[in-house]
Amino acid sequence: EAGVTQSPTHLIKTRGQQATLRCSPISGHTSVYWYQQALGLGLQFLLWYDEGEERNRGNFPPRFSGRQFPNYSSELNVNALELEDSALYLCASSLGAASYNEQFFGPGTRLTVL
Amino acid sequence: AQSVSQHNHHVILSEAASLELGCNYSYGGTVNLFWYVQYPGQHLQLLLKYFSGDPLVKGIKGFEAEFIKSKFSFNLRKPSVQWSDTAEYFCAVSEGSSNTGKLIFGQGTTLQVKP
Repeated sequence: EAGVTQSPTHLIKTRGQQATLRCSPISGHTSVYWYQQALGLGLQFLLWYDEGEERNRGNFPPRFSGRQFPNYSSELNVNALELEDSALYLCASSLGAASYNEQFFGPGTRLTVL
Repeated sequence: AQSVSQHNHHVILSEAASLELGCNYSYGGTVNLFWYVQYPGQHLQLLLKYFSGDPLVKGIKGFEAEFIKSKFSFNLRKPSVQWSDTAEYFCAVSEGSSNTGKLIFGQGTTLQVKP
C-alpha cells in the first residue's frame, strides 16, 4: 500500500512569491492535515481538510490556505512568502475524521525562502 | 493553551540500556496520546497510541508507554535499546472529546544509541 506522498521534495522561492505544495493521501483516507516544522519551533498544526471541507486551522495568517480535491488530494498555498516561512511542511492523512484515527505522515516538502 | 513538554532533548545510551523518555501535557479534558518516531532519513511513523482502557500501551519494536492521568504524563519506555533505535521521538496529544484534527507535538527527543 502506497503511503502519503508529497511534491515537490524541495522548493526554493524568493520573498513575496507564492508557493504551492501538494499532497496525496493514502488510498481510502478522507482527511488530510498540514503541519509546519520550522527550526526551533517544532511541529505546528496548520490545516485540516475532510471530505473537501476545511475543518480547522491553526494559528497561522490567512496567506496560508489550501484546498482538498474530490479525489482527497490536497494543496497548500502560501502567498506573499516571508523568510520565516522556510520550513519542512508535512502532510498527513487519516481514515476519517475521528480524533482517535492515526495520522500517517508523508516525507515532507522543504520550502526555502530567499 | 494546550502544550506538550518533552523533558529530554538529547539522550545518549549504550546498547542494552533501558530507556525512558518523559512526556507531560497540559490539558484538563479527555486526551488521545501518541508517540511518533522519525528514523534518520525517514518520515514520521507511529510507535504507539492511547485512547482509553488499559493505561499501559504496547507498541511496535518493543516500546511501551504508560498513561498516568494524575500526573498528565505519557512516558515512553523500552527495557533494552538497540543501535537501530537511534531516532527522534515525538510525543503528541489530541483532544479526545471534541475533534479538532490537531495533534499537538512536543519538541522531540533525539536518541543516540552507541553500539
